[in-house]
Amino acid sequence: EVQLLESGGDLIQPGGSLRLSCAASGFTFSTYGMNWVRQAPGKGLEWVSIISGGGGTTYYADSVKGRFTISRDNSKNTLSLQMNSLRAEDTAIYYCAKARGYSSSSADYWGQGTLVTVSS
Amino acid sequence: DIQMTQSPSSLSASVGDRVTITCRASQGISNYLAWYQQKPGKVPKLLIYGASTLQSGVPSRFSGSGSGTDFTLTISSLQPEDVATYYCQKYNSAPLTFGGGTKVEIK
Repeated sequence: EVQLLESGGDLIQPGGSLRLSCAASGFTFSTYGMNWVRQAPGKGLEWVSIISGGGGTTYYADSVKGRFTISRDNSKNTLSLQMNSLRAEDTAIYYCAKARGYSSSSADYWGQGTLVTVSS
Repeated sequence: DIQMTQSPSSLSASVGDRVTITCRASQGISNYLAWYQQKPGKVPKLLIYGASTLQSGVPSRFSGSGSGTDFTLTISSLQPEDVATYYCQKYNSAPLTFGGGTKVEIK
């Protein structure tokens, strides 16, 4: 059974940094791309970033480019999102989501999400 | 970047009705289009990928069609458990943009 468990969400001041993690199990982690998708309170889904199965290719939404860094440790089946220079508009539930393929594709499994609140 | 526009933004229909949701891409994306269902307070769930391929376990009353720029999600007979917000997503290339969502309610 595929399981994705996010952690690291917190209340953080504007300008601060936070690192989210996603522990994956139940599938061959290195074979699949992994996404971060966020959802601000009461709003729709916003794709944030994707990393290929081997970790060599990454893409970002313009809204986070230069501030967020996605990475993965295939030896530990873990996905991470380093978030710097956080803004109020980054407040959201952050989901990690498994891609159906090695890189860009639809997301077939989602974690329960971790809440990031950026506020002073 | 390619924009994804869903319509309507919300709809109300009766149990048993046929419901259609439209997603339009600002440029052609072939069939690299997915549909997701998010029930209130729940995690998004993949319904359809490749514009028309039903994800395993999804009821057959859901179907998808389209290619290029215009896509449709159809619920052939609306059920109470289908109350949710539905999102389309392009995945031909980054950014993997979502549509704004369509909220489906029971009349």
